[in-house]
Amino acid sequence: DGGITQSPKYLFRKEGQNVTLSCEQNLNHDAMYWYRQDPGQGLRLIYYSQIVNDFQKGDIAEGYSVSREKKESFPLTVTSAQKNPTAFYLCASHIRGTGELFFGEGSRLTVL
Amino acid sequence: QKEVEQNSGPLSVPEGAIASLNCTYSDRGSQSFFWYRQYSGKSPELIMFIYSNGDKEDGRFTAQLNKASQYVSLLIRDSQPSDSATYLCAVKRSGAGSYQLTFGKGTKLSVIP
Repeated sequence: DGGITQSPKYLFRKEGQNVTLSCEQNLNHDAMYWYRQDPGQGLRLIYYSQIVNDFQKGDIAEGYSVSREKKESFPLTVTSAQKNPTAFYLCASHIRGTGELFFGEGSRLTVL
Repeated sequence: QKEVEQNSGPLSVPEGAIASLNCTYSDRGSQSFFWYRQYSGKSPELIMFIYSNGDKEDGRFTAQLNKASQYVSLLIRDSQPSDSATYLCAVKRSGAGSYQLTFGKGTKLSVIP
């Protein structure tokens, strides 16, 4: 079955550590996205990529980095520069034409 | 920054009633509008999208769009306890080549048995 796989589902990090969240899709979608969701808040765009080897900052890119070396993969690194990294992170990919996003199951990061 | 506004709720309706969820947006050039449902602790899932002014029906769900008023709504008929979730309104940003969605903060719906 086609879909988006995010791992790990839950992650605990000590302050000052970098962590990388994995996102893999087998939907053959060109565009991929990372969103962050805080309790009671909507989704905020961190980074997006429309093609391999190209990505753009979203609204809250500071303290995050991404890569897009393969069409299927769009990992997100939460660096120690991110001041408040505890959140629910959602990876999504995009269907051209309709504009709708498909989401992975999410990764919940907690900084101790 | 372009914004999408929703009442945070909670909106409580009795089982079998009609739930009405509302959303306003600031980007007048927006062309595509989406409603997502998100259960607690889960990722959003698409319910409906709408592009044209008027109503679009899919089963118990009806999306309504009024571009002149920059307003989009979702009606859920015959509400069921399983409809209890947070509903996110999303708007595709205008601009050539833009595929980004801006999300509202969501309205929490509670359907009382």
